[in-house]
Amino acid sequence: GAGVSQSPSNKVTEKGKDVELRCDPISGHTALYWYRQSLGQGLEFLIYFQGNSAPDKSGLPSDRFSAERTGGSVSTLTIQRTQQEDSAVYLCASSSTPGGYEQYFGPGTRLTVT
Amino acid sequence: GESVGLHLPTLSVQEGDNSIINCAYSNSASDYFIWYKQESGKGPQFIIDIRSNMDKRQGQRVTVLLNKTVKHLSLQIAATQPGDSAVYFCAENFGGNTGKLIFGQGTTLQVKP
Repeated sequence: GAGVSQSPSNKVTEKGKDVELRCDPISGHTALYWYRQSLGQGLEFLIYFQGNSAPDKSGLPSDRFSAERTGGSVSTLTIQRTQQEDSAVYLCASSSTPGGYEQYFGPGTRLTVT
Repeated sequence: GESVGLHLPTLSVQEGDNSIINCAYSNSASDYFIWYKQESGKGPQFIIDIRSNMDKRQGQRVTVLLNKTVKHLSLQIAATQPGDSAVYFCAENFGGNTGKLIFGQGTTLQVKP
């Protein structure tokens, strides 16, 4: 079946501009996660959505980062006033099980801030 | 503090040999552990997981071992193949309702033909 999809696959933006990254989870998965992966590094948790519950935003690095999930499906990660240190691969994962278990990842969006 | 680490940044093995990738974790309260494989330009691919009430779990050509006494996790790959070449990450879940996975830095597995 279809896996997690993300768009765009690559995004180049100028410092100070806003960007939106999209994630389409696996159909029926109630849990959705965003992570950031800097070059050659492990993954850094950003935010977690579970059903209609309030999201866990504890990993968002600053108030320039926000995310929403509409209709319990598609999610958008927004970065305002991008900085060069925001350059990374942004990965989305979804799961049919709440609480962080069995997360399946999308291919990621590579963001480059110039 | 929160940290999950891998003992070796790069592991080189001969095709057909068994591979063992190690991981140390710091949070004794973690109740779930996962191994992911990441190929260049792709997202992490789920390999195998294990809950803290288990010591061992086997999949197809892979085995995960959990030693809670020393907070150590390992991934064993039997009969390593060139297609196994990738970066391998371990991750831990602190439990409860949090969805937060803490990832290690990764070990690069190189398979020599």
